[in-house]
Amino acid sequence: LAKTTQPISMDSYEGQEVNITCSHNNIATNDYITWYQQFPSQGPRFIIQGYKTKVTNEVASLFIPADRKSSTLSLPRVSLSDTAVYYCLVGGNTGGFKTIFGAGTRLFVKA
Amino acid sequence: DGGITQSPKYLFRKEGQNVTLSCEQNLNHDAMYWYRQDPGQGLRLIYYSQIVNDFQKGDIAEGYSVSREKKESFPLTVTSAQKNPTAFYLCASSIGGQGHSYEQYFGPGTRLTVT
Repeated sequence: LAKTTQPISMDSYEGQEVNITCSHNNIATNDYITWYQQFPSQGPRFIIQGYKTKVTNEVASLFIPADRKSSTLSLPRVSLSDTAVYYCLVGGNTGGFKTIFGAGTRLFVKA
Repeated sequence: DGGITQSPKYLFRKEGQNVTLSCEQNLNHDAMYWYRQDPGQGLRLIYYSQIVNDFQKGDIAEGYSVSREKKESFPLTVTSAQKNPTAFYLCASSIGGQGHSYEQYFGPGTRLTVT
């Protein structure tokens, strides 16, 4: 299972775009890249998932370069309510199921 | 209203007692999971089940047991053998049970305190 590396924490201001990068150098061919958001004392919530290039939904965009060894979660115009921990996961449909939710990136949005 | 429910939200037990945490889902998902989260840490997988009557150990299964007799239910028992049981426990489910391509839906969690 591919190990991921993310910054421990990030600060931003309301209205700014925030980009959180995740490194996954040993990503396998069948692996997907998934991002979750977690607020204190709640379960994580799915944000976005991708395999290659760019994926966009109503809350975020996910940029994946051609070599897929990293990915960037982009949150447009963050608000105070986006203060949370963001987890990057990498895994696929083969080789059994294991989950690695690392420590994630703690994003703090200031007014 | 579909989702995952966990009960209770807070649970207090004395050391040496077994305790069972409830997890129910009405999403008709095949796969269910149990995670443990310690303060300031990520989630660690305890057990997972891809289908009824089948379950597999995750990364930290020692001191825990599960059952999957019904598709919608996946209770977790924290036994007295678990050395540090105080933690936040999260249950999740997904449509498929193989790998990460399926979105996981999480319950609200149970905070267990053992003294």
